[in-house]
Amino acid sequence: DTGVSQDPRHKITKRGQNVTFRCDPISEHNRLYWYRQTLGQGPEFLTYFQNEAQLEKSRLLSDRFSAERPKGSFSTLEIQRTEQGDSAMYLCASSPHDQPQHFGDGTRLSIL
Amino acid sequence: AQKITQTQPGMFVQEKEAVTLDCTYDTSDQSYGLFWYKQPSSGEMIFLIYQGSYDEQNATEGRYSLNFQKARKSANLVISASQLGDSAMYFCAMREGPLGASYGKLTFGQGTILTVHP
Repeated sequence: DTGVSQDPRHKITKRGQNVTFRCDPISEHNRLYWYRQTLGQGPEFLTYFQNEAQLEKSRLLSDRFSAERPKGSFSTLEIQRTEQGDSAMYLCASSPHDQPQHFGDGTRLSIL
Repeated sequence: AQKITQTQPGMFVQEKEAVTLDCTYDTSDQSYGLFWYKQPSSGEMIFLIYQGSYDEQNATEGRYSLNFQKARKSANLVISASQLGDSAMYFCAMREGPLGASYGKLTFGQGTILTVHP
């Protein structure tokens, strides 16, 4: 049983650049979540997919953020025109319909 | 709105002793779920234990147990026989709605750093 996989593990970029993160959920999990975690805080919900449908987005997800899950498999989270405040750990989680979420190792984003 | 409060920024425990990590919550939902996750320094979030709001018995998973006091809105994690590998950040989280019927997004507390001394 492979877990949730996230790529890359670390991303360093200059302010104003675009970045894209990938999440591969556990294969039989139809639910996929993105969270953001800043230093010393708990994760905060960003968005949720059930299969390929994006069913909920947090107010934290500004217009510069977009997430997709084509074909209900892997998901991507893109941040356009990155800002200093985007520096954080981006966590992906997946679950079957009625089970707790399993998290990936996260992508740590640093904005120079 | 939901809120999770973890009032202990840091806790210390001697190896082989038990430790309780506090968590209180606030919700107007009748049906909800409470979770504890462990986050080692490497960053991954590891699911430990789950308690449903209608579960009459406190949840247990190996050395982990959840002391659920619904009237007081508390869901404390008890780790028995602490091990050095238990040193990590611990998060309490809540999901609104029943496990099988809601979207399942989690609201997390700020976490408690547990340090186990040899």
